[in-house]
Amino acid sequence: SYDLTQPPSVSVSPGQTASISCSEDKLGDKFVSWYQQKPGQSPILVIYQDSKRPSGIPERFSGSNSGNTAILTISGTQDMDEADYYCQAWDSGTVELGGGTKLTVL
Amino acid sequence: QITLKESGPTLVEPTQTLTLTCTFSGFTLTTTGVGVGWFRQPPGKALEWVALILWNDDKHYRPSLKSRLTITKDTSKNHVVLIMTNVAPADTATYFCAQNPGPYWFDPWGQGIVVTVSS
Repeated sequence: SYDLTQPPSVSVSPGQTASISCSEDKLGDKFVSWYQQKPGQSPILVIYQDSKRPSGIPERFSGSNSGNTAILTISGTQDMDEADYYCQAWDSGTVELGGGTKLTVL
Repeated sequence: QITLKESGPTLVEPTQTLTLTCTFSGFTLTTTGVGVGWFRQPPGKALEWVALILWNDDKHYRPSLKSRLTITKDTSKNHVVLIMTNVAPADTATYFCAQNPGPYWFDPWGQGIVVTVSS
């Protein structure tokens, strides 16, 4: 089992908006990060501290976190965004990860 | 530019000890707030956090693995070592190390090393 709950899969049409959720009791009290992982590659940070984008990450990636749920939003989804996405939080020195969401662009 | 690279054996026999090294450049583990974490990913499965060491030598372990893990740092050599004892086939995974530049996130990540536990 995983500390954070994510849907196993999300599908989106090219150009549309994809939303991936991450849930845990009182998750809004923690900072959440999001990682993108393509097959055979290492994870890449796409959002940190709930809503900040690292340098080089496209503006179409955004994040929010409130209550029990954090959401990664990809606006104007492109084929290259097809990947697995993981949410991550921090709790008293323990790193929490979600089980990952496979984003399919079709 | 910050880079990290994992090294170690790719095949380990059950009950043996696995030693992995993360060699990094572009930052130092003497900087306040910085850490290095280890993660793993079994074939076809999700990422799992394994261990974390911070600049002040604080160490944190995945609770289910804590009894088998040791993480250490050598600031003079810019590397972090993860030791896992009594390995089993369930420890077969790609192991990644990543910089923890702030208190809550990991970036960048190393390329990963595939470790198989088998006799």
